[in-house]
Amino acid sequence: DTGVSQDPRHKITKRGQNVTFRCDPISEHNRLYWYRQTLGQGPEFLTYFQNEAQLEKSRLLSDRFSAERPKGSFSTLEIQRTEQGDSAMYLCATRLDGDTQYFGPGTRLTVL
Amino acid sequence: GENVEQHPSTLSVQEGDSAVIKCTYSDSASNYFPWYKQELGKRPQLIIDIRSNVGEKKDQRIAVTLNKTAKHFSLHITETQPEDSAVYFCAASRGRDYKLSFGAGTTVTVRA
Repeated sequence: DTGVSQDPRHKITKRGQNVTFRCDPISEHNRLYWYRQTLGQGPEFLTYFQNEAQLEKSRLLSDRFSAERPKGSFSTLEIQRTEQGDSAMYLCATRLDGDTQYFGPGTRLTVL
Repeated sequence: GENVEQHPSTLSVQEGDSAVIKCTYSDSASNYFPWYKQELGKRPQLIIDIRSNVGEKKDQRIAVTLNKTAKHFSLHITETQPEDSAVYFCAASRGRDYKLSFGAGTTVTVRA
């Protein structure tokens, strides 16, 4: 499969625990986006990388959230001290030079 | 920031009939408008997109129209088939280096 991949696909955690998600882009896609999608809503933008540089962060991204893309390839999204309100699908999308963002399958987070 | 509103939230059509979904946006600087289809448990997939220098675009049974003056765009699906049943999201962006702002989605059900 040469599409965007995300790991894990599902994560159940207890409130207060830290979680980390990974996104592997389509080969050579230098632009990478993280979105969050709650039930019945469209994806909401969280952050954007061009290569290893984090160029934009949403105000939705509180200081408990951190994202990295250390070598300009895969990216990680970490949530510290998870809260029940963090339960959502976390989607990664990547893009090369055109307009189209290609989405991964998402990581579904459930915080108990 | 950009605000995208999408209507209706649910749409039920008889197989073979047409389906129309409408979206409005608030940011006059937006110039790229993609539509994504998301089947249950799967990733959003681009089905068609339009840039602001074009008023209409068609791809087989799917068409999108854009009215820049009124700041609204619509998705038209003709000759609907059961496999068209899914959630459809519209989105708007200022361009390739900007995030996508999504509508809340339309759940389309095609009745056999």
